[in-house]
Amino acid sequence: DAEITQSPRHKITETGRQVTLACHQTWNHNNMFWYRQDLGHGLRLIHYSYGVQDTNKGEVSDGYSVSRSNTEDLPLTLESAASSQTSVYFCASSGQGGNTGELFFGEGSRLTVL
Amino acid sequence: KQEVTQIPAALSVPEGENLVLNCSFTDSAIYNLQWFRQDPGKGLTSLLLIQSSQREQTSGRLNASLDKSSGRSTLYIAASQPGDSATYLCAVPLSGGGADGLTFGKGTHLIIQP
Repeated sequence: DAEITQSPRHKITETGRQVTLACHQTWNHNNMFWYRQDLGHGLRLIHYSYGVQDTNKGEVSDGYSVSRSNTEDLPLTLESAASSQTSVYFCASSGQGGNTGELFFGEGSRLTVL
Repeated sequence: KQEVTQIPAALSVPEGENLVLNCSFTDSAIYNLQWFRQDPGKGLTSLLLIQSSQREQTSGRLNASLDKSSGRSTLYIAASQPGDSATYLCAVPLSGGGADGLTFGKGTHLIIQP
């Protein structure tokens, strides 16, 4: 079965370190998204991509970057981790061009920045 | 800017009851609306996707309705079971066709008492 996987599932890091969260989907979807989920804020969009070599900023993109070198992967990088980036991060994908269609989520990556 | 509100924020009912979860959105020009379920420590699972041309969608004991003109959707759960306990979220496209991501409500935390 097609799926979307995230790694690591849990990570603890220190302020100022670079962190990369991986996202891999086997749906062959063009659209991929990164969200963060925080108490009181719900889910907020960080970055998204319509396809290879395409990346776009979402609502809370400061301090984050993504790259899309193939269809399957959209890694999320925190250039210099800050305590405010402690959160649960979700990767998602959808297949219909121009319209998100149905969105599929990974299991999440819990990041703690000390 | 699209905003999504879910009422109630939390709900606890005895097993067997039929219940309704509410979702409202500020911009009625949406392409679709999606309901998700999230279990503790897990990712989001898509339950129902309603296209703008549809009035409702059904899956098993779940029925979701959409009234674009009033900016409302409801999720009806029939004959609730303890396994239905989870957080339910609704989401609509951020703008236009929606390939640039979804705006989520903060969810309704549902507890079904055995």
